[in-house]
Amino acid sequence: ETGVTQTPRHLVMGMTNKKSLKCEQHLGHNAMYWYKQSAKKPLELMFVYSLEERVENNSVPSRFSPECPNSSHLFLHLHTLQPEDSALYLCASSQGTSGDFANTGELFFGEGSRLTVL
Amino acid sequence: AQSVTQLDSHVSVSEGTPVLLRCNYSSSYSPSLFWYVQHPNKGLQLLLKYTSAATLVKGINGFEAEFKKSETSFHLTKPSAHMSDAAEYFCVVSGIGNDMRFGAGTRLTVKP
Repeated sequence: ETGVTQTPRHLVMGMTNKKSLKCEQHLGHNAMYWYKQSAKKPLELMFVYSLEERVENNSVPSRFSPECPNSSHLFLHLHTLQPEDSALYLCASSQGTSGDFANTGELFFGEGSRLTVL
Repeated sequence: AQSVTQLDSHVSVSEGTPVLLRCNYSSSYSPSLFWYVQHPNKGLQLLLKYTSAATLVKGINGFEAEFKKSETSFHLTKPSAHMSDAAEYFCVVSGIGNDMRFGAGTRLTVKP
């Protein structure tokens, strides 16, 4: 078990569908993250939650909607996506909150959800 | 502002030969630097990190990296490649708060 579990591992959806990605961490961490990994591009930070409060949103389109109901669970709600949104979506967690993140630094990643938008 | 450049998108070595994956960084602050590895269909895993202690950092699986401030580099090395080292490697620079910048990645191929 990796400590960070993502479901589903694979998702195919049409542009008019609504779906959600789920992330659960079993590490007792305080911060959780969504990253987008596209082919031949650096990893893109989408959202950061620290102690269940959103602390960063890197200008992500509103068709992506995060939800963090508690420190162990993170969701990414998807609606009216575009084909260019097809990517691997990675969830991560870290021990530190945003204030000391740079000192701890280690992110623990899930295995990702491979999203294909038709 | 900070950034990281991985100088090679693809590196190919033979099993048992040394590995060198190159990374240069730019940072306005004293940075923390990391190397992560991603095996196919897996998430990223931390290999090693530098946080202003010893400049030569040892990580898991026999990897190490040396922080060279004068060259703004943090290259990853391993004396002898193993088939299981084939993966994508990411250099990461971290400054204040959540400003963590990932490189574009270097794909390592290990030939038998």
